[in-house]
Amino acid sequence: QVQLQESGPGLVKPSETLSLTCTVSGGSMNNYYWSWIRQPPGKGLEWVGYIYYSGSASYNPSLKSRVTISLDTSKKQFSLRLSSVTAADTAVYYCAGPYRVTQYYWGQGTLVTVSS
Amino acid sequence: QSALTQPPSASGSPGQSVTISCTGTSSDVGGYNYVSWYQQHPGKAPKLMIYEVTKRPSGVPDRFSGSKSGNTASLTVSGLQADDEADYYCVSFAGDNNPVVFGGGTKLTVL
Repeated sequence: QVQLQESGPGLVKPSETLSLTCTVSGGSMNNYYWSWIRQPPGKGLEWVGYIYYSGSASYNPSLKSRVTISLDTSKKQFSLRLSSVTAADTAVYYCAGPYRVTQYYWGQGTLVTVSS
Repeated sequence: QSALTQPPSASGSPGQSVTISCTGTSSDVGGYNYVSWYQQHPGKAPKLMIYEVTKRPSGVPDRFSGSKSGNTASLTVSGLQADDEADYYCVSFAGDNNPVVFGGGTKLTVL
């Protein structure tokens, strides 16, 4: 049974960089896509981006200039960095997998608040 | 504004059927058979209910079914139960430039 767990700071100051890590347990990362999806409070789901196990990544065009997703298969982790954050980036951030639009596995989600 | 259009709300009485639509374009819903549907209860992570337009993951009741016609995908929930009350989101593959697009979500109320 594959499980995902997000970790990282719950509070980030405006203009700084949000950094989250997702740890994958109970299965392999190989041959799959690993995604970040966010949900602002009271709003819908928004795709942030995904990374293929080979290291190739794709991002939401509206966030592309600020987003980097990386992975470390030896640690069974993938990470999200979102720079120059504003209050609009306040959201629950989910990590998910293992396909581009078919996410069987989800983390529990982590709330990241952007505030000074 | 979401790339895919869903009605904000839908409702039905226990035992009835309800259908939720998800309208896109020929560049997403209409162009690929990669449409998924997720159920989300308050405070919980989304749960995959339908993938590749019509397929159900193991453990999802056959009361949930998916279909597609042209640029519109649909999720039908038959035999409504109280626990079906949740938010439902569609998502589609949309090509290499903007691969994943979500709908705005539909709040399903069981009356």
